[in-house]
Amino acid sequence: AQKVTQAQTEISVVEKEDVTLDCVYETRDTTYYLFWYKQPPSGELVFLIRRNSFDEQNEISGRYSWNFQKSTSSFNFTITASQVVDSAVYFCALRVRYGQNFVFGPGTRLSVLP
Amino acid sequence: DTEVTQTPKHLVMGMTNKKSLKCEQHMGHRAMYWYKQKAKKPPELMFVYSYEKLSINESVPSRFSPECPNSSLLNLHLHALQPEDSALYLCASSQPRGSGNTIYFGEGSWLTVV
Repeated sequence: AQKVTQAQTEISVVEKEDVTLDCVYETRDTTYYLFWYKQPPSGELVFLIRRNSFDEQNEISGRYSWNFQKSTSSFNFTITASQVVDSAVYFCALRVRYGQNFVFGPGTRLSVLP
Repeated sequence: DTEVTQTPKHLVMGMTNKKSLKCEQHMGHRAMYWYKQKAKKPPELMFVYSYEKLSINESVPSRFSPECPNSSLLNLHLHALQPEDSALYLCASSQPRGSGNTIYFGEGSWLTVV
């Protein structure tokens, strides 16, 4: 069975602070895929990143960066110089090869205060 | 902008009403999904269509009836709903399973049952 844990339920930061959202996953499959989604108050789940289990290279996209470590089964997400528009619920998700569904984590609500 | 569009954005219906939620995707995907999301919870899978055939039904009550008229359209017919069915209903699409394909979500339909 698969499981995704996001231990941080809510985080509040002041604008321009850096913030890291934690994600820990469990799976026995050797081939799997990890995702991060952003859900603003409007409701849409916005895709941010997909990472394969065989590719541990970290990734940076503008103010966003992701740190994938198989040794600790973690896929953490860092926002540098946070902005008010980053306020949202962020979900980490896991999908195994040939799986038709995601296993979502419970989500982390991020509030960036001006 | 999302390439998965859902209508209506908001729906209020009585427990004896019959209504439908509609979804359309323009990405050439052959898998489409319905998710239900309650407040402060991650999305929960309801149905999956793969190549226009229902492939997963997560024990959803029969008052929810999905329909996939063609590869780009997905409907969710609603009848005799209960107040506890009030939630955000998300449509999504992806390429069919096989390589951990990314699932892309629409903006959701906010449903209130009175």
